[in-house]
Amino acid sequence: EAGVAQSPRYKIIEKRQSVAFWCNPISGHATLYWYQQILGQGPKLLIQFQNNGVVDDSQLPKDRFSAERLKGVDSTLKIQPAKLEDSAVYLCASSSGPGLERYNEQFFGPGTRLTVL
Amino acid sequence: AQSVTQPDIHITVSEGASLELRCNYSYGATPYLFWYVQSPGQGLQLLLKYFSGDTLVQGIKGFEAEFKRSQSSFNLRKPSVHWSDAAEYFCAVGRATDSWGKFQFGAGTQVVVTP
Repeated sequence: EAGVAQSPRYKIIEKRQSVAFWCNPISGHATLYWYQQILGQGPKLLIQFQNNGVVDDSQLPKDRFSAERLKGVDSTLKIQPAKLEDSAVYLCASSSGPGLERYNEQFFGPGTRLTVL
Repeated sequence: AQSVTQPDIHITVSEGASLELRCNYSYGATPYLFWYVQSPGQGLQLLLKYFSGDTLVQGIKGFEAEFKRSQSSFNLRKPSVHWSDAAEYFCAVGRATDSWGKFQFGAGTQVVVTP
C-alpha cells in the first residue's frame, strides 16, 4: 500500500513570497489533515478535510494560509505572503475516516521543510 | 485547558539499556493516548495507542506504554534500545468524545543512542 505522498520535500523562499505544498493521501482515505511542526514543537493541526469539505480550520491563519481538496483526493496548502515565522515542516496525514477509533489511524507523509529567509 | 507535557526534551541512552519516556496530560474528558516516533526525514509513525481496557499497551518495535489515570501519565518504555531507536518521540492525546478525531501533540523527546 502506497503511503501519503508530499512534494516538494524542501523549499526555501524569501519572506513575502508565496509557496504551495501538495499532498496525495492514501487511496480511499476520506479524511485529510495538514499539520505545522515548528522546530522544537509537536505538530499542530492547521486544517482537516472530510472528503472535499473543511471540518476544522480553527488554527489556520486565514489571512495568509489557504487549503483546498478538490475532488476529495489530493490537497494543496498555500501560504501567501510568507513570513519568517512560517518556517516549519508541513505534514500531511490521512485516515480512512474521522474520529479516533482504532480503525482510523492517521498515516503521515514525510513532510515539506519550508525555510523562509 | 488541555495540555500534553513531555518533561524531557532530550535523553541519551546507551545501546542495550532500558528507555523510559514520560508523558503527562491534562484533559477534561476520557482521553485516547498515542505515542508516535519520527525518524530524520520521515513522517510520524504510530508506535502504540490506548483507548480502554488493559492499561499496559504493547506496540511495535518492542515498545510498551502504561496508562496511569491517577497520575495522568502515559509513559513509554523499551527494555533494551537499539541504535535504530534514535529518533524523536511524540506523545499525543485526543478526546474520546471528539467525533472529528483531533488530538494534541506534546513537544517531543529527542532520543540519542550511544554505542
